[in-house]
Amino acid sequence: EVQLVESGGGLVKPGGSLRLSCAASGFTFSSYSMNWVRQAPGKGLEWVSSISSSSSYIYYADSVKGRFTISRDNAKNSLYLQMNSLRAEDTAVYYCARDRGSGSQDFDYWGQGTLVTVSS
Amino acid sequence: SYVLTQPPSVSVAPGQTARITCGGNNIGSKSVHWYQQKPGQAPVLVVYDDSDRPSGIPERFSGSNSGNTATLTISRVEAGDEADYYCQVWDSSSDHYVFGTGTKVTVL
Repeated sequence: EVQLVESGGGLVKPGGSLRLSCAASGFTFSSYSMNWVRQAPGKGLEWVSSISSSSSYIYYADSVKGRFTISRDNAKNSLYLQMNSLRAEDTAVYYCARDRGSGSQDFDYWGQGTLVTVSS
Repeated sequence: SYVLTQPPSVSVAPGQTARITCGGNNIGSKSVHWYQQKPGQAPVLVVYDDSDRPSGIPERFSGSNSGNTATLTISRVEAGDEADYYCQVWDSSSDHYVFGTGTKVTVL
């Protein structure tokens, strides 16, 4: 069974940093591109960042470029999101999501999310 | 940047058909994917590549895409279909994924 479990969320002050993790199991992690998607309270889904299976391709939303860094460790079946210079508008539930694979451009499995709150 | 526009809400009686639109410039040239999200839960993929369904998704969910509009159709609507629905594409001009604004489906 495919499982994605996020961790690392919490309360952080504006300007602070946080590192999110996503532990993957039930599939060959190293074969899939992975993604972070966030959802502010009461708002819609917003794509944050994507990383290819071998980390060769990395993409960021304009809203986080230069502040967030996506990475992965295929040996540990883990995905990460380093978030720096956090702002109030970064407050959201952060989901990790798997690309369906084979050149697809959709997300077939999602974690349950971890809440990040940026507030003084 | 590429924008996907959805109606904020759609209301439908049980047993009837709900149609949720997703508008974007020449969206017919892109692959469109649809997600269902119930309160407090993660999104679930219900349609991918315009009209394909993942395993486990009922045939009542179908999709189409042409011109400037993609559509998710839910036939024989049930109370359990009440949720938010989002369309999504890959915008190759910006190397960004884009989600639609979301549509809340209410079953009357």
